[in-house]
Amino acid sequence: EAGVTQFPSHSVIEKGQTVTLRCDPISGHDNLYWYRRVMGKEIKFLLHFVKESKQDESGMPNNRFLAERTGGTYSTLKVQPAELEDSGVYFCASSPGGALNTEAFFGQGTRLTVV
Amino acid sequence: QKEVEQNSGPLSVPEGAIASLNCTYSDRGSQSFFWYRQYSGKSPELIMSIYSNGDKEDGRFTAQLNKASQYVSLLIRDSQPSDSATYLCAVSGSFKTIFGAGTRLFVKA
Repeated sequence: EAGVTQFPSHSVIEKGQTVTLRCDPISGHDNLYWYRRVMGKEIKFLLHFVKESKQDESGMPNNRFLAERTGGTYSTLKVQPAELEDSGVYFCASSPGGALNTEAFFGQGTRLTVV
Repeated sequence: QKEVEQNSGPLSVPEGAIASLNCTYSDRGSQSFFWYRQYSGKSPELIMSIYSNGDKEDGRFTAQLNKASQYVSLLIRDSQPSDSATYLCAVSGSFKTIFGAGTRLFVKA
């Protein structure tokens, strides 16, 4: 069974440009999470999808970040325009649906560098 | 107050010793508790989950949960150099999982 996959693995962009990160969760997982780890800091929650609906987007830093999950399958996270402080590793995780919180499986992450 | 707090370390233990990692959380409604291990440059991988008070053992790992004290810990027995990594405590409630900053563990050969 394929795990959570993220694309690209690395991205280097200039300040002001746009970048779109993609996450393909494990097939059948209703829950999809985006997290970010800035160097030296903890992994921060960004948002949570249940199928195609945003369950919680309280961690999104500002309106330069837009996440979508059309059809409840893969998700994209767009940063537009990117700023220097957006640099970090963006992790996606997925878990099955259900009332009891179950373990989340992580993708390998996308390392974003804004120069 | 952070939602999930861990000592950042580094925690250094000799090979064969017991490593003790601690975590406290603020949301009393939290239901599920996880320990993830993250090697440098890699994604977090789940090593233990615990849902009820008490101890849960899996091989060399023991997770301990005390909901009254809002405290969860991970013990690693017979520590090996390969256990050197960052250990992340994660707490779930209201369908959201919050991570601590992680504790860096070094096991000296």
